Amino acid sequence: DAGVTQSPTHLIKTRGQQVTLRCSPKSGHDTVSWYQQALGQGPQFIFQYYEEEERQRGNFPDRFSGHQFPNYSSELNVNALLLGDSALYLCASSAGFSGANVLTFGAGSRLTVL
Amino acid sequence: AQKVTQAQTEISVVEKEDVTLDCVYETRDTTYYLFWYKQPPSGELVFLIRRNSFDEQNEISGRYSWNFQKSTSSFNFTITASQVVDSAVYFCALSEAPSGGSYIPTFGRGTSLIVHP
Repeated sequence: DAGVTQSPTHLIKTRGQQVTLRCSPKSGHDTVSWYQQALGQGPQFIFQYYEEEERQRGNFPDRFSGHQFPNYSSELNVNALLLGDSALYLCASSAGFSGANVLTFGAGSRLTVL
Repeated sequence: AQKVTQAQTEISVVEKEDVTLDCVYETRDTTYYLFWYKQPPSGELVFLIRRNSFDEQNEISGRYSWNFQKSTSSFNFTITASQVVDSAVYFCALSEAPSGGSYIPTFGRGTSLIVHP
């Protein structure tokens, strides 16, 4: 049973560019959350998708946007990249969006902005 | 607002030593959930335990044990007889229940545990 898969695993972009990260949730999960983890920090919540809608959003600018598809997979888009966007982007899936739910994480996409 | 503090940035021990990772949380809700996740060098966080605010029983799972104390708002994690494979970053997280909070777990900054052979 595959867990959460993310792609790409690593990527390098330059300031001002745009990036799209992809996530396939664990089988049976319908909710996808995205987190940004800067070096030496804990994961910071970006947003959460359920039933193809953004249900919750953290304190991130509109440059960060997302989408969820009918098969529950999700994309994270970041426009006008800044140096400070360099981080590990983690996707987590769960069955529903209750605060009690255990999150299953992917291995992340490491973004470097030069 | 919910908050999680992991004051220990890094802990270094020698194999077979016992080690305790501290977690202190803040919440205004009476109903909430606490979690511990492990992040090995591969990057993906791995779930270890979930505790709800109404269950203060301590839990033991093999070499791992958790001490939940509402009186001090702490949820500490102890590894007994540590092994090199325990080397990882450990995160404590707090999530408030739908009736009171934001549904989203807040993570601490993590504690990096290094176990030397």
